Amino acid sequence: DTEVTQTPKHLVMGMTNKKSLKCEQHMGHRAMYWYKQKAKKPPELMFVYSYEKLSINESVPSRFSPECPNSSLLNLHLHALQPEDSALYLCASRLAGTEAFFGQGTRLTVV
Amino acid sequence: GIQVEQSPPDLILQEGANSTLRCNFSDSVNNLQWFHQNPWGQLINLFYIPSGTKQNGRLSATTVATERYSLLYISSSQTTDSGVYFCAVNTGTASKLTFGTGTRLQVTL
Repeated sequence: DTEVTQTPKHLVMGMTNKKSLKCEQHMGHRAMYWYKQKAKKPPELMFVYSYEKLSINESVPSRFSPECPNSSLLNLHLHALQPEDSALYLCASRLAGTEAFFGQGTRLTVV
Repeated sequence: GIQVEQSPPDLILQEGANSTLRCNFSDSVNNLQWFHQNPWGQLINLFYIPSGTKQNGRLSATTVATERYSLLYISSSQTTDSGVYFCAVNTGTASKLTFGTGTRLQVTL
């Protein structure tokens, strides 16, 4: 099983809303990632969790708050987003030294 | 940080044609992956190839780590091959996976 599951697939939220994106994997991978992808651009790294601890934060604004409650689950909490935060949000996981696997993504629209 | 450039940026092929996509990187890498992103945004794993050559059906890939490039070959292209192809690399001990600039491929009938 090489599946990374992201929910929801689509999300529309207002600038004053609070919402969360969820990512789950059951491959025993200990590194999990959040990426943001704008149209016609490559994915850009936001956060990396290694063994459930935040190891990389690519200077992401505090309106994005990651959480790793256990080794299988990764959340991204969203609050007071701006329209320019509309994008495809991708989750990935991997074992050290092996290939990464990506979820289908959440397409987020901020209105 | 490492720079990862892909060429060509855009490619239009007729069905049945062959093509070569290139990924150049500016520093030594530990890992290199090729992905195909379909129109719905899903990143599909094609190859995990830090060095050497691998083949999977109509696709093959070669990475020459000492010269800092990787090539993805697509033979007898089909319309379902359309989408964006990305290479992505890891350097040193970092967990960070850095994506290339991408090649947008359109295969026409």
